[in-house]
Amino acid sequence: DARVTQTPRHKVTEMGQEVTMRCQPILGHNTVFWYRQTMMQGLELLAYFRNRAPLDDSGMPKDRFSAEMPDATLATLKIQPSEPRDSAVYFCASGRWSNNEQFFGPGTRLTVL
Amino acid sequence: ELKVEQNPLFLSMQEGKNYTIYCNYSTTSDRLYWYRQDPGKSLESLFVLLSNGAVKQEGRLMASLDTKARLSTLHITAAVHDLSATYFCAGPSNAGGTSYGKLTFGQGTILTVHP
Repeated sequence: DARVTQTPRHKVTEMGQEVTMRCQPILGHNTVFWYRQTMMQGLELLAYFRNRAPLDDSGMPKDRFSAEMPDATLATLKIQPSEPRDSAVYFCASGRWSNNEQFFGPGTRLTVL
Repeated sequence: ELKVEQNPLFLSMQEGKNYTIYCNYSTTSDRLYWYRQDPGKSLESLFVLLSNGAVKQEGRLMASLDTKARLSTLHITAAVHDLSATYFCAGPSNAGGTSYGKLTFGQGTILTVHP
């Protein structure tokens, strides 16, 4: 049963700390997406990759957020330094370039105090 | 880039009733996706509609796609409480180019089914 996995599932941290979220896409998928979901803003696309290359990170605050794919089985999203307004659920999704269907991971619920 | 609008955004239904959620999109697209999100959970793929006139059904939910009208509908038949969730439609942000593979999501419709 192929699924996108994300760690950690929950993270509580203090303002100013670094946060790293990890995602393992479904084997064989070559696109990876990072989304953020809040009650106020809804679902926002932060960044996405094709074949590990970043295609678009315009949705991400560049001064504190960074997204990478060190290899085909791992995508990371880092926030440094974190701020209370970063509190949200962060979803990773993966898919195939030839097909827009995306499969979502369980999410990381981030709380920044 | 594609714009996607859903309506209604909030839907309160009685069990046993029928209703339809509408998804309008701004530019030509030959495919449309529906997702379901339960409270506190992730998004789950519900339907993939890949051509004009496509109709998919699962249980009490039926989705259809009219590419000429740029409209997809999600019809709920004889609603039950278990269908309470947020439903999103999404379309390819731009067929071809660097947006290929990327989806534009609607705002979501929060469905609550009451006894």
